[in-house]
Amino acid sequence: AQSVTQLGSHVSVSEGALVLLRCNYSSSVPPYLFWYVQYPNQGLQLLLKYTSAATLVKGINGFEAEFKKSETSFHLTKPSAHMSDAAEYFCAVSATSLYNQGGKLIFGQGTELSVKP
Amino acid sequence: DTEVTQTPKHLVMGMTNKKSLKCEQHMGHRAMYWYKQKAKKPPELMFVYSYEKLSINESVPSRFSPECPNSSLLNLHLHALQPEDSALYLCASSQFPSGGPSNEQFFGPGTRLTVL
Repeated sequence: AQSVTQLGSHVSVSEGALVLLRCNYSSSVPPYLFWYVQYPNQGLQLLLKYTSAATLVKGINGFEAEFKKSETSFHLTKPSAHMSDAAEYFCAVSATSLYNQGGKLIFGQGTELSVKP
Repeated sequence: DTEVTQTPKHLVMGMTNKKSLKCEQHMGHRAMYWYKQKAKKPPELMFVYSYEKLSINESVPSRFSPECPNSSLLNLHLHALQPEDSALYLCASSQFPSGGPSNEQFFGPGTRLTVL
């Protein structure tokens, strides 16, 4: 079975500072990993996904994530935070097993990012 | 068109009412999902439809009844709900009903449901 742990339910950074949101996964098979962002009162938007083609994945809005198998991590980073980055971020793994899981996503608990002026 | 639409945006209903939520996508996706999301929590999967057939029901109470009339449309019928059912209900779709890096889910904006 797969699972995801996001370290830190709330992260606060200053505008222009580095953003680092942590995600660790547990999976007995090669994982399919995703980062989604949710702005207030909106649905989830895909930021980026790990496809196994490259360990460093670039997404939208300047975000990127690095897949580290040895650390079972898929942390999300952005070099310089912008006020518009304030949102809830979810790391997710796609459930894979011998049985049909229907594309089920398993989400972490989420990290709320605040950006201070 | 890479959009999933949901109506209504907001819904207030009493515990004896019957109402329906609607979700639509025109991306040709063959899997559609209903999620329930409480404040400050991740989405919880409720139902999955694969090729218009219900493939996963995550032990959801029968007061929630999903329906997939065609490959583009997904409904969630609500009846005799409880106040604890108040939440954001999200619809999503993906190209295929399977896991994988090329099978990301596209989410709608959600319906904010309040049960009085």
